[in-house]
Amino acid sequence: SQTIHQWPATLVQPVGSPLSLECTVEGTSNPNLYWYRQAAGRGLQLLFYSVGIGQISSEVPQNLSASRPQDRQFILSSKKLLLSDSGFYLCAWSRQVDEAFFGQGTRLTVV
Amino acid sequence: AQSVTQLGSHVSVSEGALVLLRCNYSSSVPPYLFWYVQYPNQGLQLLLKYTTGATLVKGINGFEAEFNKSQTSFHLRKPSVHISDTAEYFCAVTQGGGSYIPTFGRGTSLIVHP
Repeated sequence: SQTIHQWPATLVQPVGSPLSLECTVEGTSNPNLYWYRQAAGRGLQLLFYSVGIGQISSEVPQNLSASRPQDRQFILSSKKLLLSDSGFYLCAWSRQVDEAFFGQGTRLTVV
Repeated sequence: AQSVTQLGSHVSVSEGALVLLRCNYSSSVPPYLFWYVQYPNQGLQLLLKYTTGATLVKGINGFEAEFNKSQTSFHLRKPSVHISDTAEYFCAVTQGGGSYIPTFGRGTSLIVHP
């Protein structure tokens, strides 16, 4: 069966520090991968998606970047965090038009 | 292009009541429609989905939704809610022929009180 792992679950980082959130998928190959950010009352904002290794599309210009070094690994990064980067980050995968499977999320607080 | 509108950001009902959460979509091709549930500080879980075929789809935990092409709607309902149904609910759409990126609505917070 397929599973998705996302870590860490919570993270408190100072302004200006770097960020690396990792997501890995098991039990499937060549998935579409997504990073979403969720702010209270504002739904899910798509940040990045990837349809293959090294292929990253950015939906919102911002202080973040994403990479896909392996087929089932998706990394969200920042060189210098801003206060506005605080939020709940969700990784997800899907196969074409079928349902998306989500990780448990990372609560990031930038202080 | 595709989009999803969820009417009502907050819904509050009594336990045992019928609940209806509204979702309207826009899609240039036949859509694939989904409802997800999110409990606090967790990821989203699939409740149900419509791809093709019967327009009334049944999901987990007693939820069901009906695809209405003429009204471009996919409303979610449950005849008798339980306190444990308190959560955030998201409607989503994907469409074929492209990159299959799911588009989500803003979510509806459902509170079920005793």
